[in-house]
Amino acid sequence: DQQVKQNSPSLSVQEGRISILNCDYTNSMFDYFLWYKKYPAEGPTFLISISSIKDKNEDGRFTVFLNKSAKHLSLHIVPSQPGDSAVYFCAALSNTGNQFYFGTGTSLTVIP
Amino acid sequence: DTAVSQTPKYLVTQMGNDKSIKCEQNLGHDTMYWYKQDSKKFLKIMFSYNNKELIINETVPNRFSPKSPDKAHLNLHINSLELGDSAVYFCASSQAGYTQYFGPGTRLTVL
Repeated sequence: DQQVKQNSPSLSVQEGRISILNCDYTNSMFDYFLWYKKYPAEGPTFLISISSIKDKNEDGRFTVFLNKSAKHLSLHIVPSQPGDSAVYFCAALSNTGNQFYFGTGTSLTVIP
Repeated sequence: DTAVSQTPKYLVTQMGNDKSIKCEQNLGHDTMYWYKQDSKKFLKIMFSYNNKELIINETVPNRFSPKSPDKAHLNLHINSLELGDSAVYFCASSQAGYTQYFGPGTRLTVL
């Protein structure tokens, strides 16, 4: 029962364009969401987060949007750079505990 | 000055052996975790410790035993290794249940 889903296993984008990575969740008790970036042979590193009381959070080139009614969040990267090529994991935290649920990741390739 | 470190980075062993993976964090966090990333790239939590106390124990075979000698360390011991245990194991830590910081992972291969 995967409660966090990333339905696109891969995405390719031209350098300079926008990358949009999507994430859906099923548990309405989730109230905190994070995006992690992972390079090969490294652990995931925190990128950006959003609380359920917000619908948008921006940090430089990265913006996360949250649509609670649709149980959907997305990560926008603009402009995309070749160094952004990595696997991006979406994660959610329930307000009932401190267990994180991760999606299966989306592999982003930014083409120079 | 690595925040979350794991050793070893690679571990190749025979079926039936017992092995341990060590994890240390120098962030002063109260909570530490072990995750397993399987061949389908799914990151699934195995255990969580808060101040040396087990707080999450997902459906994991009892061949897996976490040990937390202090809040900066959470080691994972695996008995009687099986082929299906082959995966990448990530340690992580967090403070107050929010942003987790991950170690570099340990790739375990059981032959």
